[in-house]
Amino acid sequence: DQQVKQNSPSLSVQEGRISILNCDYTNSMFDYFLWYKKYPAEGPTFLISISSIKDKNEDGRFTVFLNKSAKHLSLHIVPSQPGDSAVYFCAARGFYFNKFYFGSGTKLNVKP
Amino acid sequence: EPEVTQTPSHQVTQMGQEVILRCVPISNHLYFYWYRQILGQKVEFLVSFYNNEISEKSEIFDDQFSVERPDGSNFTLKIRSTKLEDSAMYFCASSEGGSSQGPFFGPGTRLTVL
Repeated sequence: DQQVKQNSPSLSVQEGRISILNCDYTNSMFDYFLWYKKYPAEGPTFLISISSIKDKNEDGRFTVFLNKSAKHLSLHIVPSQPGDSAVYFCAARGFYFNKFYFGSGTKLNVKP
Repeated sequence: EPEVTQTPSHQVTQMGQEVILRCVPISNHLYFYWYRQILGQKVEFLVSFYNNEISEKSEIFDDQFSVERPDGSNFTLKIRSTKLEDSAMYFCASSEGGSSQGPFFGPGTRLTVL
């Protein structure tokens, strides 16, 4: 079940720069997408979501972009801070489905 | 800020025993979920629950598993006859439904089967 993919297992960024995390999906029925941040031994923390009727959603330092034709979404963090260091998961849901599919995660390291 | 809570934080059990993992979802939420994450692997969907019944379940969620909402606040996951491969972090989540924020996850229960 690889309907949501995060092809970069890790990303290292300098503090103050932009972090870009990518996610691809295969199911065109997905219409709602989310990003979660996860620290070790904790539950995923909801960050930001986007509906398929939009192509961009912003919340403070976090912006999610959705490219439906490419079945691709990305999370931009600007400026990156050391406290952003965590594993980031993207997730997707189809309108008729009552479950969320998760990617495998990207470990972000923001260096001071 | 309302949050999902889970108990216990860590459960150790012997293979073949039954365990019950407990969750208190956010009070006005309507959809409830169980996910798990085996160490080093991705977060996997187990089951979703709405209107007092299972609305969706994965292939993992076989007869060994069951969920219940015994009262207006708790949501439980029962694992019968635990196996070594059931060792994982189990996360409960809840959401209002629709394209709103979330689901919101609890801190997880670490289940260790010996």
